[in-house]
Amino acid sequence: QSVLTQPPSASGTPGQRVTISCSGSSSNVGTNTVNWYHQVPGTAPKLLIYFNNQRPSGVPDRFSVSKSGTSASLAISGLQSEDEADYYCAAWDDSLNGPVFGGGTKLTVL
Amino acid sequence: QVQLQESGPGLVKPSQTLSLTCTVSGGSIRTGSYHWSWIRQPAGKGLEWIGHIYTSGDTTYNPSLKSRVTISGDTSKNQLSLNLSSVTAADTAVYYCARYSVGGVYFFDYWGQGTLVTVSS
Repeated sequence: QSVLTQPPSASGTPGQRVTISCSGSSSNVGTNTVNWYHQVPGTAPKLLIYFNNQRPSGVPDRFSVSKSGTSASLAISGLQSEDEADYYCAAWDDSLNGPVFGGGTKLTVL
Repeated sequence: QVQLQESGPGLVKPSQTLSLTCTVSGGSIRTGSYHWSWIRQPAGKGLEWIGHIYTSGDTTYNPSLKSRVTISGDTSKNQLSLNLSSVTAADTAVYYCARYSVGGVYFFDYWGQGTLVTVSS
């Protein structure tokens, strides 16, 4: 049981806009910045986006994030087949004194 | 460019201690605003933070594993280690080491490739 709640799956067709939600509590999402990772099965997670839409080099601006209260979301616009992966949200948790993750969302490009 | 590489036995017997090492290159485990972390992922499941060691050498563990976990650092080799005692099949997972940046905004910026550890007799 993950501390942050994500839908297990999401899907869209090429070119569409897809959003993935991440729900937490006042000790994590409500208080601290949320970051997102993507993971192609069989490989390590990679940082995708963090804070105010900061992206590591190479991550396109098709990916954006927003947050309201204890919920956050990742939006992917102009969906491409290469976006098919598992997506995880994460945030520092003040009660745990460590980071917590969502359970992951498997994105399928139809 | 920071690189992390996990190493250790891929098979551990139940009730024994799982021991892994993470070798860090391109950055020191004793400098900067970072926590050096261990994270695991059972097959087909999500990510679980195990614990981390600060640049000071202090540690923090996930309460769910705290009684069984020890994380240590070797500055001479620029390595961090994970010991997880009394393992069961539930500890079978891919284990990652990662660098957690804590300079104002917190995120994992570098990950090792991960190593699969299977607990089985």
